Amino acid sequence: GESVGLHLPTLSVQEGDNSIINCAYSNSASDYFIWYKQESGKGPQFIIDIRSNMDKRQGQRVTVLLNKTVKHLSLQIAATQPGDSAVYFCAETRQGAQKLVFGQGTRLTINP
Amino acid sequence: KAGVTQTPRYLIKTRGQQVTLSCSPISGHRSVSWYQQTPGQGLQFLFEYFSETQRNKGNFPGRFSGRQFSNSRSEMNVSTLELGDSALYLCASSHNLGTFQETQYFGPGTRLLVL
Repeated sequence: GESVGLHLPTLSVQEGDNSIINCAYSNSASDYFIWYKQESGKGPQFIIDIRSNMDKRQGQRVTVLLNKTVKHLSLQIAATQPGDSAVYFCAETRQGAQKLVFGQGTRLTINP
Repeated sequence: KAGVTQTPRYLIKTRGQQVTLSCSPISGHRSVSWYQQTPGQGLQFLFEYFSETQRNKGNFPGRFSGRQFSNSRSEMNVSTLELGDSALYLCASSHNLGTFQETQYFGPGTRLLVL
């Protein structure tokens, strides 16, 4: 069946360091992937997306890498700041699926 | 442009009651999806509407239903509430011009507590 999972449920990093959050997916037909950030008491906030015809996409301080061979997705956050503390979800979908399948989420905490 | 809005933000009900949640999508977005978020199950897809038609439905019992109006606003209803229905209910909207490969933007959610 479909599943999108995360390797680590929690990640703790020092302020200023880079963070890497990983995600594994099982559906090889998935062709669109999204990373969301969810802060306490709020809905998921779009961070960055990537389509299956790309291996890498960069945004402001964030980079998403897609490895279709091993069905692996990662989110890199550069120079992590206290405001980056949140739960991060990866989600996948494919054309015609009309729904997102979410991973369980990784809680990112920033140490001062 | 205003984001996705959901009302009410918080709700307390008792078992056996029913509840209706409302979602207003981003202006111009025609697709509205609903998700349930719980600590144990994470984010799970409930259903998706586009142009007043339900196009897909997740694995939830028939007590969970929804609808979409001509202005793209959507409501979801849960009848005969159970304790396990306590969750954060999230609504998301997107342009979705024929495929699902478009970014979905989420509202703040409605926190439902069933006692």
